Formats: sequence, structure tokens, C-alpha cells
Amino acid sequence: NAGVTQTPKFRVLKTGQSMTLLCAQDMNHEYMYWYRQDPGMGLRLIHYSVGEGTTAKGEVPDGYNVSRLKKQNFLLGLESAAPSQTSVYFCASSYTQRRGNTIYFGEGSWLTVV
Amino acid sequence: AQSVTQLDSQVPVFEEAPVELRCNYSSSVSVYLFWYVQYPNQGLQLLLKYLSGSTLVESINGFEAEFNKSQTSFHLRKPSVHISDTAEYFCAVSEYGYNKLIFGAGTRLAVHP
Repeated sequence: NAGVTQTPKFRVLKTGQSMTLLCAQDMNHEYMYWYRQDPGMGLRLIHYSVGEGTTAKGEVPDGYNVSRLKKQNFLLGLESAAPSQTSVYFCASSYTQRRGNTIYFGEGSWLTVV
Repeated sequence: AQSVTQLDSQVPVFEEAPVELRCNYSSSVSVYLFWYVQYPNQGLQLLLKYLSGSTLVESINGFEAEFNKSQTSFHLRKPSVHISDTAEYFCAVSEYGYNKLIFGAGTRLAVHP
């Protein structure tokens, strides 16, 4: 079972460079999310999507853009990377809005901005 | 606004000892509560969740958590830990009608032989 797959797993960027993280899920989930994880801060929601063609801002959206052109894919873009964006990024997905739906996570993408 | 506080950033414990990881939340409405576990270099996995009904919920690997509405807590416990339980544990809350999880900062459980 593939579940939620993120690529790339590791990346080093120079300040000012751009990149895109790709998330794919094979569970036919409506909802998809991007979180970042930083030491001592848990996971913080960057952006999320409630369906194909829709996106919304989470807790920490600045410096990121997202797109959901296909139901199974959710892309996270950094237009001009900054050292503050060094983090571990997790994509996640879940079924439509229901009581306590389980959210499934990918294995993470480690991004370092130098 | 909802928030989650995990009271201990690190919990060292010896193998076969009991453990409690504490979690408090704040919300003005009813919530769902979750515990996720993250093993080294992996993503998060759901450990257990409280939706409604019995306030005591259990996982398949011996953990349990009790929802205490009056104290707004959802502490995680295990009567006897194993080395393999070493991981980071995250408490999370979701308000009724929403599917966004708000996470605590995490508690790193280190089980020593």
C-alpha cells in the first residue's frame, strides 16, 4: 500500500531558489494538507485543500504556494526559499469532512535552505 | 481558538515501567482528540482517538488515553513500556465539523533498558 507519497525526501536549497514538493495519495481522499515540523513546535498547518481545484491557508502560509490540479496530487511550492523555511515537511490526506476522520501522513521531506 | 499543550517535552523511563504523557487542550466547542506516534525518520501514525462515547480509549499496542472534559485533558498511559515504544508522541485536537488537526509540541519518550 503506497498511501501518501512525498518527493523528494531530501533537498538542499540556496537562499532565493525555488522548488516544489510533490505529494501523491492513492486513497481517493478529498482532503489534503501540508504541515511543517520544527523542533519544539509540533506540526503546523501550512495550506490545505478540501477538494480538486481548491486550496486554503493554514496557520503558517507565508512564503508558500500550493496547487491541487488533480485529486490525488497536492503540490507545495517555495518561490524564493529562506533559511527560516528549513524544516521537515509532511503531506497528509483524509476523507471528506466527517467526525474524527483519520489523517494519513507521508514520510516527510527534509528541506535545508542555506 | 483551539490549542494543545503537552506538558513534558521529554520523558525518560526504564523498560517495563509505567508511563504517562500529559496533554491539555483548550477549545470553546466540542472536540475530537487524537494521539499520534512518530518513530525516528518516519511520518506520523495514528495511535488512538476519542470521538464520543466511552472516555477511555485504547490502542492495539497497550496504550490508553482518557478524555477528561472537566480538566480538558487527554493523557496517554501505558502500564509497562518496551524499548520499541521509544518515539515522539503528539497530542492533537480537532473541533467538531472541521478536519484540521492542531498539534501539540510533542513529547519524546525514551525507554531505557
